[in-house]
Amino acid sequence: NAGVTQTPKFQVLKTGQSMTLQCAQDMNHEYMSWYRQDPGMGLRLIHYSVGAGITDQGEVPNGYNVSRSTTEDFPLRLLSAAPSQTSVYFCASSSARTDSSSGNTIYFGEGSWLTVV
Amino acid sequence: LAKTTQPISMDSYEGQEVNITCSHNNIATNDYITWYQQFPSQGPRFIIQGYKTKVTNEVASLFIPADRKSSTLSLPRVSLSDTAVYYCLVGVAPYNQGGKLIFGQGTELSVKP
Repeated sequence: NAGVTQTPKFQVLKTGQSMTLQCAQDMNHEYMSWYRQDPGMGLRLIHYSVGAGITDQGEVPNGYNVSRSTTEDFPLRLLSAAPSQTSVYFCASSSARTDSSSGNTIYFGEGSWLTVV
Repeated sequence: LAKTTQPISMDSYEGQEVNITCSHNNIATNDYITWYQQFPSQGPRFIIQGYKTKVTNEVASLFIPADRKSSTLSLPRVSLSDTAVYYCLVGVAPYNQGGKLIFGQGTELSVKP
């Protein structure tokens, strides 16, 4: 069981470049989210999705785009990278079935370290 | 979602009991209290969740007073491996808030030998 898989793990971008951080989960979870974590800070929610075809903004959505064409995948796109987007990005997924054994657990990926120069 | 306030950092020694208190004065009737743990370079993981009184699992205990305006995460006999950041979250069940969990600053616990 792979859980939540993020790629790439490390990436260096030049200012103005665009890229996509990939996130995939194999647990058939309805909910998926993207967070960023700056050094010494807590996690901040970028975008989230409650199901295929449905996305919404979190706390810090500017400069990022998401889509949810399938249940499994939730890619995060940086439209025009800026140094302020240097951060660690975490993807998370969880089940909508609260009566299941995993109903109260959020699964996080291992993180993607992004540096924008 | 209710705002939470936690200490920024705490120090402890191995073998001690650690209590981390979280304030959530505007908690709503339907809100649950959930604690997560995050090790360096890893995503957070669920520790414990409760609604009122006391909840205990194999990792920790959660104490919630009658007014529910605060909660205390208790870690018994901590070890060096408990060094992590601990987050208190408050929100309506389902527990995962439809994926819209808002994390605060968290409490950085440092356990020393």
